[in-house]
Amino acid sequence: DTGVSQNPRHKITKRGQNVTFRCDPISEHNRLYWYRQTLGQGPEFLTYFQNEAQLEKSRLLSDRFSAERPKGSFSTLEIQRTEQGDSAMYLCASSPQGSEQYFGPGTRLTVT
Amino acid sequence: AQKVTQAQTEISVVEKEDVTLDCVYETRDTTYYLFWYKQPPSGELVFLIRRNSFDEQNEISGRYSWNFQKSTSSFNFTITASQVVDSAVYFCALSEENSGYALNFGKGTSLLVTP
Repeated sequence: DTGVSQNPRHKITKRGQNVTFRCDPISEHNRLYWYRQTLGQGPEFLTYFQNEAQLEKSRLLSDRFSAERPKGSFSTLEIQRTEQGDSAMYLCASSPQGSEQYFGPGTRLTVT
Repeated sequence: AQKVTQAQTEISVVEKEDVTLDCVYETRDTTYYLFWYKQPPSGELVFLIRRNSFDEQNEISGRYSWNFQKSTSSFNFTITASQVVDSAVYFCALSEENSGYALNFGKGTSLLVTP
């Protein structure tokens, strides 16, 4: 399967713990995006990379959030000191430059 | 401010009916793209269509059709002869050149097609 993959698919953590999610994009896509989706809402943009460069971050991305794409391939999204309000589906998408984005299945985070 | 408005929160139709999902957008860019995505109960977002701001031609793909009108800033989606498998949440989205083409999604329209 050559689609976008995300791991883990589900994560349950206690408030205050750190979590890290991974996204593997479609191999020839140079752009990678992270979104967050809460129940009943559309996905909200968090950040994006072109190759290894992080080019834009939403104001939704607080200081507790950090994303990397070290070699321009896979990406990680880390949340430090998780809060209950961080509970959401975290979606990754990839695209060739300026084209449609293809989404992965998401990582569902539950903070207890 | 919400850049994409999907005024219909939920729609319920009986199988074989036609249904139109509305989408109104707001942008100051001259170069932008409009999208529709489907999110079935399984949760994964499925790309349906992309239109650029310079192409107002309507598009038809099987039972799906899209009507793009810049004069009213609308990009509506019609499903003809709906089927139960069309039940899903449908999102309209806008991407703008000056924001790296990140997607601004509407809140979605939940479509339920009953037998």
